[in-house]
Amino acid sequence: QKEVEQNSGPLSVPEGAIASLNCTYSDRGSQSFFWYRQYSGKSPELIMFIYSNGDKEDGRFTAQLNKASQYVSLLIRDSQPSDSATYLCAVGDNYGQNFVFGPGTRLSVLP
Amino acid sequence: SQTIHQWPATLVQPVGSPLSLECTVEGTSNPNLYWYRQAAGRGLQLLFYSVGIGQISSEVPQNLSASRPQDRQFILSSKKLLLSDSGFYLCAWSVRGQAEQYFGPGTRLTVT
Repeated sequence: QKEVEQNSGPLSVPEGAIASLNCTYSDRGSQSFFWYRQYSGKSPELIMFIYSNGDKEDGRFTAQLNKASQYVSLLIRDSQPSDSATYLCAVGDNYGQNFVFGPGTRLSVLP
Repeated sequence: SQTIHQWPATLVQPVGSPLSLECTVEGTSNPNLYWYRQAAGRGLQLLFYSVGIGQISSEVPQNLSASRPQDRQFILSSKKLLLSDSGFYLCAWSVRGQAEQYFGPGTRLTVT
């Protein structure tokens, strides 16, 4: 059974701080890694994806992947109250198959 | 640009009634299509995926079924709903051969 684990939170950070969200996965053969943001009552929105070891930056978001440790993280710099949401980690293969979602981490950015 | 639609947005149905949820994608051809369910306070569970018309793969045994009558249309059905079928149903699509999945707005189903 492939598993993706995340701390459920809530993770509370003050406005302007860096929020760090973590995810571990069990399938060593996984090739694609995703972060989705889900506001309460809404559908998930893809915000970052990463395929290679290292860091990938997009605006205030940085995804970090370490395949040897089976670990992927999301950093949110200069956190804003509008970043308050549940962040879902997803892991899959190269072709959109075998997608497994973690349970999500609830982030609260305090003004 | 690509757009994904789902309807209805919300639905309240009695136990034992039938179900039909529809999903359509615009602005792309030959997409992979997916149905997920998110129960209250729980993670996303993949129910079905399709790589083409009439090609459906089921991930979990259940009283739900899926069909893909047209390239960009995906339908989730049930003949008799159970209380445990309540949840947030999400359709997603991806470009054939790529892994990134994009979600529609979802249908919130309450079975009473």
